[in-house]
Amino acid sequence: KQEVTQIPAALSVPEGENLVLNCSFTDSAIYNLQWFRQDPGKGLTSLLLIQSSQREQTSGRLNASLDKSSGRSTLYIAASQPGDSATYLCAALGFGNEKLTFGTGTRLTIIP
Amino acid sequence: GAVVSQHPSRVICKSGTSVKIECRSLDFQATTMFWYRQFPKKSLMLMATSNEGSKATYEQGVEKDKFLINHASLTLSTLTVTSAHPEDSSFYICSARPIDRGFLEQYFGPGTRLTVT
Repeated sequence: KQEVTQIPAALSVPEGENLVLNCSFTDSAIYNLQWFRQDPGKGLTSLLLIQSSQREQTSGRLNASLDKSSGRSTLYIAASQPGDSATYLCAALGFGNEKLTFGTGTRLTIIP
Repeated sequence: GAVVSQHPSRVICKSGTSVKIECRSLDFQATTMFWYRQFPKKSLMLMATSNEGSKATYEQGVEKDKFLINHASLTLSTLTVTSAHPEDSSFYICSARPIDRGFLEQYFGPGTRLTVT
């Protein structure tokens, strides 16, 4: 059974700093890995999707990497802004099934 | 494009009543929709996979008779919480997979906050 873990559970950094969020998964047989953002009381906003054959994806200030062999993905946020404050979730799509397994989330606070 | 809506966004009901939540794909067709549940400050847990025209597949530990899922069309799936109790209070989120995208994409709805008093 796939297990997805995110460390740390919460992170506070001053505005302008670069930061890295970590995601680890136990079963490397994944079809893709996706990063989401969730604001309090809201649904999910998809940020980046990395297919299993890819190593990284970039969108603006965000860069996500994937290392299937080690079961890890990272989300790099450059030049953080207060508007980046949210909970970030990673999710792995199991190869051969249709199910997304979500990580435990990292609650990010950017301090102005 | 690829917008998923949920209705209602918030609902408060009394213990013992039933509540229906709708999930609609607004600008695409979806043969598969998913229902998730999220407890406060916790991650999303998949409850069931809903396929148009067939019975839903429930995850282990999810009561089929309590959480009734109907996927009557390519753009609509409903989740009915029957005889709701306070422990059913949660944030329910649906997602939909476009019919022509294979495994690559799921689009998520904004969620429904259910409070059972």
